[in-house]
Amino acid sequence: SYVLTQPPSVSVAPGQTARITCGGNNIGSKSVHWYQQKPGQAPVLVVYDDSDRPSGIPERFSGSNSGNTATLTISRVEAGDEADYYCQVWDSSSDHREVFGGGTKLTVL
Amino acid sequence: EVQLVESGGGLVKPGGSLRLSCAASGFTFSSYSMNWVRQAPGKGLEWVSSISSSSSYIYYADSVKGRFTISRDNAKNSLYLQMNSLRAEDTAVYYCARKVEMATIGFFDYWGQGTLVTVSS
Repeated sequence: SYVLTQPPSVSVAPGQTARITCGGNNIGSKSVHWYQQKPGQAPVLVVYDDSDRPSGIPERFSGSNSGNTATLTISRVEAGDEADYYCQVWDSSSDHREVFGGGTKLTVL
Repeated sequence: EVQLVESGGGLVKPGGSLRLSCAASGFTFSSYSMNWVRQAPGKGLEWVSSISSSSSYIYYADSVKGRFTISRDNAKNSLYLQMNSLRAEDTAVYYCARKVEMATIGFFDYWGQGTLVTVSS
């Protein structure tokens, strides 16, 4: 089965740029989506199809995907961005499984 | 406004059964694939099951195959998850999520607030 690997934690100072990676075999050939989850809340979609943003998501959130790594970039990080972030792909070739990365805890210093 | 409201969670003994429900509103329920995703305490997200808009296609994670059954009632705008032979490792918050599908692209654009299932003696 397909595996997505994320770093357990990323720390960044307010106003700086946070980059959260999601590694997978030839992930650049897949469409990657990113979710933000704050404590006690349901996940929220922040980027879909590698780099598109749903309405209402700030332009500070962006994504890229190439080779074996997809990246969620959060510019001008704010305290309110502190959360867990998960990447996800739809492995349509393998029994239509949804695959999530293990999650990355973003800490705003 | 799209709303997904889960119910049916609770405390159940190992080997027991539970049926979760998800009431949908604010969109044409019968046009979307729906999914269950769970999250064990302090852990990450785990996809559980999906059902296509007309119930023609159903998929399960290996961890629940043969024990859980997903279903939907488009007339009632409701999604269900029948969970049998429950184990301690099934303890989690269970979310229902609407899935957007475009060719080979699939992502969850709306999630419910979740319902907690605790399997313990």
